[in-house]
Amino acid sequence: AQSVTQLGSHVSVSEGALVLLRCNYSSSVPPYLFWYVQYPNQGLQLLLKYTSAATLVKGINGFEAEFKKSETSFHLTKPSAHMSDAAEYFCAVRGSGGSNYKLTFGKGTLLTVNP
Amino acid sequence: DSGVTQTPKHLITATGQRVTLRCSPRSGDLSVYWYQQSLDQGLQFLIQYYNGEERAKGNILERFSAQQFPDLHSELNLSSLELGDSALYFCASSPTGTGGGGVGYTFGSGTRLTVV
Repeated sequence: AQSVTQLGSHVSVSEGALVLLRCNYSSSVPPYLFWYVQYPNQGLQLLLKYTSAATLVKGINGFEAEFKKSETSFHLTKPSAHMSDAAEYFCAVRGSGGSNYKLTFGKGTLLTVNP
Repeated sequence: DSGVTQTPKHLITATGQRVTLRCSPRSGDLSVYWYQQSLDQGLQFLIQYYNGEERAKGNILERFSAQQFPDLHSELNLSSLELGDSALYFCASSPTGTGGGGVGYTFGSGTRLTVV
């Protein structure tokens, strides 16, 4: 079964600093990987997804993630944090095989951006 | 607006009661997924329907049930409610049963259920 682990339940950065949110996956088959963002009292919004087309994936709001098979990682980065980036971020992996194509989410990482 | 509509946005009810949560998928999407988000369990997959038929089941309690109607909207029924059922319930939709396609999964804004 596929799973993801997000390292760090809370990350705090200063405005303008690099954002790095870590995600490691476990999958017996080539995975489909996703990053979602959840702003307070809102639903989940897709930031980006990896579907094996390219290892470096660019998403919305200046975020990108790199798929590294050797490290089983899919870390999310943004060169310069903005106050509006403060939110909770979820890494997810899509199941495969048979009829099971649900998303399995990590526990989430709360990003705080300090002025 | 994601295109996935969930109603109601908030629901407060007493223990032992039954509630129905509704989800209208994005236009053209055939698959609906239900998730429960709580502080202790995180985001947990409950159930998936594809074009009216149950496709996959996750950690869904026997007190919970769901269905997808011919117009593709879905309802999640929660009965004999307990305090621990208080959570955010999300619906997501995708064009296919595999969650593939260019858009993938689109989430609604959720229904916040409070059981008192």
